[in-house]
Amino acid sequence: GENVGLHLPTLSVQEGDNSIINCAYSNSASDYFIWYKQESGKGPQFIIDIRSNMDKRQGQRVTVLLNKTVKHLSLQIAATQPGDSAVYFCAENIGDSWGKLQFGAGTQVVVTP
Amino acid sequence: EPEVTQTPSHQVTQMGQEVILRCVPISNHLYFYWYRQILGQKVEFLVSFYNNEISEKSEIFDDQFSVERPDGSNFTLKIRSTKLEDSAMYFCASTQGGHLGYGYTFGSGTRLTVV
Repeated sequence: GENVGLHLPTLSVQEGDNSIINCAYSNSASDYFIWYKQESGKGPQFIIDIRSNMDKRQGQRVTVLLNKTVKHLSLQIAATQPGDSAVYFCAENIGDSWGKLQFGAGTQVVVTP
Repeated sequence: EPEVTQTPSHQVTQMGQEVILRCVPISNHLYFYWYRQILGQKVEFLVSFYNNEISEKSEIFDDQFSVERPDGSNFTLKIRSTKLEDSAMYFCASTQGGHLGYGYTFGSGTRLTVV
């Protein structure tokens, strides 16, 4: 993708293992958070979202955890597959509802066979 | 699955020229956005658009930038006089708002190269 990985943290995961990707967000007033996946040459692809009044939300093979006390967000991917190799971003909604997103720097996930 | 469509996928332009980047958001979406991503950097917010007007813009979105929704389907970003530092991937996004599980849908982007 557009993050060529020169300065991105990289998570190397064996196929079939679980992945945990972490993100620290900046604004304690943020009330909505999203995880995106970006593959090479493509735009950010929605994975899962969560509101600030929740601690946990599950999707298909993915779980997002929110710890507001320490402003921390994590994405857990179960049974990681080769197709999960990508850059993963967290994004927070700052300001008005459905307003702008502020993106984190991203984590490169590499799934090895 | 509905998509946000962006054209062109790649645009090369000379410094000082005007460019128009085009987007077709998802048809029932109400909120529209432009973001950009300079190579190796974070995705950055440029502008949001709702109810036929700009609702918020970033410091990047100066007088050289403008957006339009000329009809019911297109959403364009114009850069009047491009600079070398405008080279980036530009992403259009849209959302219908409301419930969890939808987020903001992004297009595949236009790679703008200013030479």
